[in-house]
Amino acid sequence: AQSVTQLGSHVSVSEGALVLLRCNYSSSVPPYLFWYVQYPNQGLQLLLKYTSAATLVKGINGFEAEFKKSETSFHLTKPSAHMSDAAEYFCAVRGMDSSYKLIFGSGTRLLVRP
Amino acid sequence: ETGVTQSPTHLIKTRGQQVTLRCSSQSGHNTVSWYQQALGQGPQFIFQYYREEENGRGNFPPRFSGLQFPNYSSELNVNALELDDSALYLCASSPRGRGDGYEQYFGPGTRLTVT
Repeated sequence: AQSVTQLGSHVSVSEGALVLLRCNYSSSVPPYLFWYVQYPNQGLQLLLKYTSAATLVKGINGFEAEFKKSETSFHLTKPSAHMSDAAEYFCAVRGMDSSYKLIFGSGTRLLVRP
Repeated sequence: ETGVTQSPTHLIKTRGQQVTLRCSSQSGHNTVSWYQQALGQGPQFIFQYYREEENGRGNFPPRFSGLQFPNYSSELNVNALELDDSALYLCASSPRGRGDGYEQYFGPGTRLTVT
């Protein structure tokens, strides 16, 4: 079965500091991986996706993620945090059945201190 | 281009009642998936509809049912509501069969509270 584990339910950084949100996956086949962001009282917005092309994926709002097969990881980074980055972040892996459902991690809440 | 829309935004129901949530897919998208997001958790897949038929189901009881209409919009019905059904219900649409990795686009969700 496929799964995603997000380490750290809360991450706090200062404005301007590096953002690192961790995601490890389990999959018996080459995975499709996604990062979504959820602002308060809103739905999910896609930040970026890995679909077996380049291992370093660039997304919106200055975020990027690197696929590391040897570490089964897909960590999300941003060089300099902005106050507007405060939100909940979800890592997801695409399921293998015909629905291609998304299997989400439990999420990481990013807090940005002024 | 209109994104995914959901109605209502918020809903309060009593245990044992029935509820219907609605979703309009993004223009050109023929597949709709429903997810339940309990407080403090990641979304959980309920089911998906493609060509008006269920195409995959998560670990949810039969009292969770759905429909998809010819215009690709969809309904999620929940019978005999339980307190644990309180959650944010998310609808996502995707352009199945158009080769973009089946990227899913989410609506803003319906917040259901069961008392």
